[in-house]
Amino acid sequence: KNEVEQSPQNLTAQEGEFITINCSYSVGISALHWLQQHPGGGIVSLFMLSSGKKKHGRLIATINIQEKHSSLHITASHPRDSAVYICAASDYNTDKLIFGTGTRLQVFP
Amino acid sequence: DSGVTQTPKHLITATGQRVTLRCSPRSGDLSVYWYQQSLDQGLQFLIQYYNGEERAKGNILERFSAQQFPDLHSELNLSSLELGDSALYFCASSVVPSGRVEGEQFFGPGTRLTVL
Repeated sequence: KNEVEQSPQNLTAQEGEFITINCSYSVGISALHWLQQHPGGGIVSLFMLSSGKKKHGRLIATINIQEKHSSLHITASHPRDSAVYICAASDYNTDKLIFGTGTRLQVFP
Repeated sequence: DSGVTQTPKHLITATGQRVTLRCSPRSGDLSVYWYQQSLDQGLQFLIQYYNGEERAKGNILERFSAQQFPDLHSELNLSSLELGDSALYFCASSVVPSGRVEGEQFFGPGTRLTVL
C-alpha cells in the first residue's frame, strides 16, 4: 500500500462542474502539497498546507489532520484546468516528500 | 516562470555515460530539491539540500550524487547510466526546508534525459 493515495486516478468533467480530488496518507506529516502538472510537463505548486483550508481563485484545498486526508476542489471547472494533479506529503520525521500517483483531469467544453 | 532554472533542457546520451544536471534556485531560496519522474514510477523525491548541507535523502541510487555549492546552485550527477534512468529530472527550491509552513516549493522546467 502506498503511503500517499490519490483518487480518482482519472477524472473527466464538463466545463462548469465542481471537481473534488482526494488524497489520503499514512505517514506523519509536517505539510501536504498540491501540485499541478500540465501536458508540457511543467509543475506548479498550488498549495502547501498543514491545517484547515486554503483558497486561491477557483481552487480550494482542505486538510483533516486527524483523518489524514486532504481534498482539492475546483469550482466552475474550465478546460484550462485539464492537467495532472499530484498530492505530496512532507514526512514529519525525514522531511522527504512522498508523492501520490496523480489524478489526470480532463475538462471538456 | 518560477524563477528556478535548469540546464540543459534535453539531454541524450548512451548507456554507461555520465551526465551533470544543473539547477539554479530562485533568488533568496536556500533549499534545493531534486526529483525524478519516469513513466513507470511517477514522481520520486531524490535528495534535498539546505544552505549547502544535505537535509533529506529519498530513493537516490548510489550511481547518482548531488551537491549544493556556496552560491546555492546545485548539480545532480548521474553516472553509469542505464536505459531505466531515462526520465524527467526536476529541481525545486524553497526559502526554508519543506516541512516548514513557509516551505512552498517552486519547480524548474525540468531536464529530459534520454539514455539510448
